[in-house]
Amino acid sequence: SQQGEEDPQALSIQEGENATMNCSYKTSINNLQWYRQNSGRGLVHLILIRSNEREKHSGRLRVTLDTSKKSSSLLITASRAADTASYFCATAAYSGAGSYQLTFGKGTKLSVIP
Amino acid sequence: GAVVSQHPSRVICKSGTSVKIECRSLDFQATTMFWYRQFPKQSLMLMATSNEGSKATYEQGVEKDKFLINHASLTLSTLTVTSAHPEDSSFYICSASPIRNRGYNEQFFGPGTRLTVL
Repeated sequence: SQQGEEDPQALSIQEGENATMNCSYKTSINNLQWYRQNSGRGLVHLILIRSNEREKHSGRLRVTLDTSKKSSSLLITASRAADTASYFCATAAYSGAGSYQLTFGKGTKLSVIP
Repeated sequence: GAVVSQHPSRVICKSGTSVKIECRSLDFQATTMFWYRQFPKQSLMLMATSNEGSKATYEQGVEKDKFLINHASLTLSTLTVTSAHPEDSSFYICSASPIRNRGYNEQFFGPGTRLTVL
């Protein structure tokens, strides 16, 4: 079932501005991940934050996780036109069948205008 | 490292035919592989989880006789869409989890296969 819900669904910003995307989920998780997908292409893993972490950085990316509110945010600083893509959050939870399942949100379509 | 390939990348077929999609982990062994489908402008939906040497576990609403999954080795899983119909047209993406214990099984994604059924 769809667990992660991102907002906004679409975001359009000028190059150089920061972009913030939010994700909410419903059940307990092991970790939360953010992915990027260019149109018609596969997924690129961006960052993983574990359930016992509150904030994580990777380059121009900053992810926060609030397990009490069951929400996460992805901040992309100093955006570039090349950041234009769809961004998905995915929650990982143990499936009970010997593996962790990922449940993806609906995604945020980010457009960065040069 | 941790590269996953899919073949073919794009396939167009006639209604009623069967299509096989391969997912390979190129530089690691995968205990578990996952198959997702993605409709245009929508998110990825997990179809099934397959473990090497055992039957796949299908998500609710996914017909196991329609979408045959074979995970014959630790580096290869196949998804066969049987008697394909236009509504099966979608983007199919696989992922693979390597054999290592980090408290969480990472998933590495393939580039996807675009299936168009005429």
